[in-house]
Amino acid sequence: DAMVIQNPRYQVTQFGKPVTLSCSQTLNHNVMYWYQQKSSQAPKLLFHYYDKDFNNEADTPDNFQSRRPNTSFCFLDIRSPGLGDAAMYLCATSRDRLGDNEQFFGPGTRLTVL
Amino acid sequence: GEDVEQSLFLSVREGDSSVINCTYTDSSSTYLYWYKQEPGAGLQLLTYIFSNMDMKQDQRLTVLLNKKDKHLSLRIADTQTGDSAIYFCAEDSGNTGKLIFGQGTTLQVKP
Repeated sequence: DAMVIQNPRYQVTQFGKPVTLSCSQTLNHNVMYWYQQKSSQAPKLLFHYYDKDFNNEADTPDNFQSRRPNTSFCFLDIRSPGLGDAAMYLCATSRDRLGDNEQFFGPGTRLTVL
Repeated sequence: GEDVEQSLFLSVREGDSSVINCTYTDSSSTYLYWYKQEPGAGLQLLTYIFSNMDMKQDQRLTVLLNKKDKHLSLRIADTQTGDSAIYFCAEDSGNTGKLIFGQGTTLQVKP
């Protein structure tokens, strides 16, 4: 089945140790999004790629970076994780940005920072 | 700025109707969405409504939109235990594809 896959589902890292989260999609969608969802809070958009065009949200910390080497894959890099970065990270895709384009979400990666 | 607010918790008995409410502030939103999140899972789109509509029905789900008051509701008829989850209201910010989510309403369905 076409889907959005996130690996790993659970990631533990140490304070300050770089970590990379992975997202892949078989939907051939143009847009890929990364959201951060802290406990009992709303998902918050960090950035998105429209094809190869990277769009960063104004309040996304510089500590968060992203790469999209091809249509199928998108990575979230956290250069120096702090305790406040512990959260669920959700990847989503959509065919386009406008209109009634459904965003398809992956199951998320839960990041723990020790 | 943009803001979406929801009540945090709703408890109903199986077979009753559930109504989850949401208010938003961005009057330029073109689409408004309801997503469902089960424990340990990502978000699943339940339904959406175009801003020039005031009601949309999809099987057990009814969405009502009051654009003047910027109020959106989701009614689930004949609520089942499998409907227990967190429900997120979301608006698209100026029709850019950026979704602004509410903090989610936890629906608890008692047998």
